[in-house]
Amino acid sequence: QLHLKESGPGPVKPTETLSLTCIVSGGSIISSTYYWAWIRQSPGKGLEWIGSIDYSGSINWYNPSLQSRITISADTSKNQFSLSLSSLTAADTAIYYCARHKIDGARFDPWGQGLPVTVSS
Amino acid sequence: DIQMTQSPSSLSASVGDRVTITCQASQGIAHYLNWYQHKPGKAPKLLIYDASNLDAGVPSRFSGSGSGTDFVLTISNLQPEDMATYYCQQYDTRLTFGPGTTVTFK
Repeated sequence: QLHLKESGPGPVKPTETLSLTCIVSGGSIISSTYYWAWIRQSPGKGLEWIGSIDYSGSINWYNPSLQSRITISADTSKNQFSLSLSSLTAADTAIYYCARHKIDGARFDPWGQGLPVTVSS
Repeated sequence: DIQMTQSPSSLSASVGDRVTITCQASQGIAHYLNWYQHKPGKAPKLLIYDASNLDAGVPSRFSGSGSGTDFVLTISNLQPEDMATYYCQQYDTRLTFGPGTTVTFK
């Protein structure tokens, strides 16, 4: 059974860059059927798709509202993928989830447990 | 961007009730809609994909319907473990979620 788990730093400061990693176990990220994605949920708000990537990194699909600040990459040797989010502000405080979704149909399944990230000076 | 709305934003119901949650898209999205259940501190769970297909292992009391701009998630015979927030998500153009509907018990 595929399992995803987010890892990353503790609190981060405004203007810094957030780096998160999603470690995938129970299956390979090398797939022609799936993309690998990041989603977040800010306090009191709903879910926001951040972006998705294929295993090779050749296909990047980003939320236009965040596109200028994000990079998603994949490391097949470690079976993981990562998110980099620059120029942080308090508005980036959220629970960050990683998930897999089908290329055809874009349903997120499974998801990681989520990693709380606080942006504060 | 396609905007998703859900109603109600929250509801209280009793065990055994039939619960209906609606999701509306700002423009037609055919059947390109999924539903998720999210409990605090847990990973969101896929319930319904492509508007009406029950994901594997999801109890049959959950069902989905609709196409175009209007969609419905129905929980028949509500159970205590169904207390959660439910989100719709469209994938017609990029990927966006509805604001969620929180189900609590009376």
